[in-house]
Amino acid sequence: QKEVEQNSGPLSVPEGAIASLNCTYSDRVSQSFFWYRQYSGKSPELIMSIYSNGDKEDGRFTAQLNKASQYVSLLIRDSQPSDSATYLCAVFLGGFQKLVFGTGTRLLVSP
Amino acid sequence: DAGVIQSPRHEVTEMGQEVTLRCKPISGHNSLFWYRQTMMRGLELLIYFNNNVPIDDSGMPEDRFSAKMPNASFSTLKIQPSEPRDSAVYFCASSLASGTVTGELFFGEGSRLTVL
Repeated sequence: QKEVEQNSGPLSVPEGAIASLNCTYSDRVSQSFFWYRQYSGKSPELIMSIYSNGDKEDGRFTAQLNKASQYVSLLIRDSQPSDSATYLCAVFLGGFQKLVFGTGTRLLVSP
Repeated sequence: DAGVIQSPRHEVTEMGQEVTLRCKPISGHNSLFWYRQTMMRGLELLIYFNNNVPIDDSGMPEDRFSAKMPNASFSTLKIQPSEPRDSAVYFCASSLASGTVTGELFFGEGSRLTVL
């Protein structure tokens, strides 16, 4: 089992819709979870972090964490074509003391 | 402020040649990370340093790979000899001391390596 798993996509949504990106992780002791966005040919940039069960909202972005199910998600409301990118889920593995990334989900938002 | 600076941006070399990738972290950051990104395996942590000391190099694929951080403002990743399977984008990232907990890594623009 991979440490961090994501569906590679692409996930296609129309402009204005809600995009839902999902991630599961294997390390039960993980405490820190992150979402990075990577545009094609560019480097990853941090957009959200979440540490506690529940929801965390930042503008159009909402991160959701369920530690019991070892599940993290990112919701993007009112999706825009400029949101088209690959979204990387990252988990800090407490047992190994390192940040591990999923392979990413490619999001396509059509006008 | 300047971000993480990597060089070269692109490198094309032949199998068996030595490759050296360079990184200048953000001033004041004391953790530095080398990642490799491929389509198949995604973003893989190769090694990270804290206060110039290697903390975890378990991701370094094999002895052909080596990394150094002689001072707080410079790090190198060397591949000798290079092989076609080393072709990837290599990212350097830096963060403050608690970066691995906050997860806020600042990435350079990457070095795209092609080994023929």
